[in-house]
Amino acid sequence: QVQLVQSGAEVKKPGASVKVSCKASGYTFTSYGISWVRQAPGQGLEWMGWISAYNGNTNYAQKLQGRVTMTTDTSTSTAYMELRSLRSDDTAVYYCASHGDDYRFGWFDPWGQGTLVTVSS
Amino acid sequence: EIVLTQSPGTLSLSPGERATLSCRASQSVSSSYLAWYQQKPGQAPRLLIYGASSRATGIPDRFSGSGSGTDFTLTISRLEPEDFAVYYCQQYGSSSRTFGQGTKVEIK
Repeated sequence: QVQLVQSGAEVKKPGASVKVSCKASGYTFTSYGISWVRQAPGQGLEWMGWISAYNGNTNYAQKLQGRVTMTTDTSTSTAYMELRSLRSDDTAVYYCASHGDDYRFGWFDPWGQGTLVTVSS
Repeated sequence: EIVLTQSPGTLSLSPGERATLSCRASQSVSSSYLAWYQQKPGQAPRLLIYGASSRATGIPDRFSGSGSGTDFTLTISRLEPEDFAVYYCQQYGSSSRTFGQGTKVEIK
């Protein structure tokens, strides 16, 4: 079946970087994009940006520009999200989600199971 | 960036009742590119509705979506015990794909 499986929980110190992976299976990886969405404890969903697995084009949320990089490895059908200069307010569950590159098919389905990133000194 | 505002913040209802959730956009959502998701504690969000009114695969027909332009609605015709959760709307018609802040449907 179509699924996204994410890497495990991470604990990082302020100022460090984290890289979360998202491995796709059950579909043609390069036919879709991957968005990253985070959710701080008790809060709502925040879209972080997306990458086309077809051509590597990216679009990041303005507030994260300069701190986030999204990449893909098409040989392993895996997407990555790296966040640098971590702060305590980056503590959140990070989700990946698949969607069409075309706006017409842009809804998010499926989602990964989530990766908890804790930033603490 | 399109801002989505959901109301109410919390909806307190009993099983069997009808739930009506609102999502209002700060500007028109292109071609009704609006989705609804359900999230239960400790779980990833699940797609319910896309294209404002199309049910995702496996979603019961008690869930329905409507609206266009800037005003959208998710209706749950008769609440089942498993429907008590948080619901988010999301627009995907612009380069920045924003979410509403969520509506919690709780048991009264």
